[in-house]
This record gives sequence, C-alpha cells and structure tokens, in this order.
Amino acid sequence: DARVTQTPRHKVTEMGQEVTMRCQPILGHNTVFWYRQTMMQGLELLAYFRNRAPLDDSGMPKDRFSAEMPDATLATLKIQPSEPRDSAVYFCASGLAPGRANTEAFFGQGTRLTVV
Amino acid sequence: DAKTTQPNSMESNEEEPVHLPCNHSTISGTDYIHWYRQLPSQGPEYVIHGLTSNVNNRMASLAIAEDRKSSTLILHRATLRDAAVYYCILRAPLNALNFGKGTSLLVTP
Repeated sequence: DARVTQTPRHKVTEMGQEVTMRCQPILGHNTVFWYRQTMMQGLELLAYFRNRAPLDDSGMPKDRFSAEMPDATLATLKIQPSEPRDSAVYFCASGLAPGRANTEAFFGQGTRLTVV
Repeated sequence: DAKTTQPNSMESNEEEPVHLPCNHSTISGTDYIHWYRQLPSQGPEYVIHGLTSNVNNRMASLAIAEDRKSSTLILHRATLRDAAVYYCILRAPLNALNFGKGTSLLVTP
C-alpha cells in the first residue's frame, strides 16, 4: 500500500533550536507539497516542488524556513531558528505533475511540532 | 486563485444522503473542481474531482452545475466514519491545492 511517510510524527523542541522534518513521497511521484495547519490559519501551502525543483515557495517565511529535495525519495523542511509561533502540524503530500490539474495529491500523516 | 464558498458546518443522520454545496462563481475554464476531506488527526485525503461532467466513484458523487459556478458533493449514505472537514478546491493547471476553511460535517447516529 503506497503512502507518503513523514518523520518524526511528533517533535517538541525549545525556541531557537533547529528542526528538520522529513518526507518520503510515493515512489514515482514527481510533485511534492509542504503544508502547515494551525487552528487559526487552517491549511497553508508552504512550498511546492516538481521534479525536485522548487516551483512555488512564496508561502514560506524565507528568513527561517528552507525546503529541499536532495533526491527523488526525500524532501526536507527545515526551520532555523524555531519560534513558538511555528507550532503546527506540517503535512507533506506527493502526486504526479498536475499538467491539467486533474491529478490527486496523497498526504502523509503529518508532523506535529511544538516549540516551547 | 479562484475562491470557493462553503457552509462552515452541516449535520446529517447516519445512513442518510448528504449534499455538501460549494459555490465558485469565479471559476475559470481550465480549473478542475477537487474535493478532499480531513478526518480528525489525519492528513487530508482525496475524495473526487471533475471538470464539467458529473462524476461518480466508490466514495462519493460530484454534481457540477451546467455553468460550473457551483458544485455539490454527494455522500449517498453517511456513516459515522464520514464525519470530517470537507474541502472544495479549484485547481488550475500546474498549481498546488489551496485549501479554504471547508465544511465540518457532523454525522449523528
């Protein structure tokens, strides 16, 4: 059963520490998305990769967040330094290139981040 | 991005059909209508999508108005497991999914 795998599932860290979240997309998928979900803002798109190249990262705070795809089987989202307002659930999703917007995205279970 | 409007919440009885409406009056010709749902403590999951014609799959049906300015997700027989937030999303070619607030569906026994 193919699925998107995110690690860790939960992370508690102190303010100022670096946080790295990892995502393994479904094999063969060439599109990866990072979303953040909070009660106040709902689901927000942070970054979007296609064929490992960033297509859109306008939703990501550039001063502290970075997203990369070192290879086709791994996407990372890094926060340095972390702040309490970064506390949220971070979701990764993968899919096939939405050339005509008619493909579905598959979401992981999320990483619940708490910054104290 | 074209916007969608959904009711904040809806309630249904178990084993009855549920019609979840979505308005999208500014939809463009190349936008697909996607529906996702998010169960408690889970990531969003795909439900169905369509462009112009009505669509059916094992989970639900999607009825699209002739002018495409609105659509309705139909759950034919709601179960307790269908309690979730349902998101109606317009997706343009090459774009990501942009989620709104969605409709929180409560299913009562």
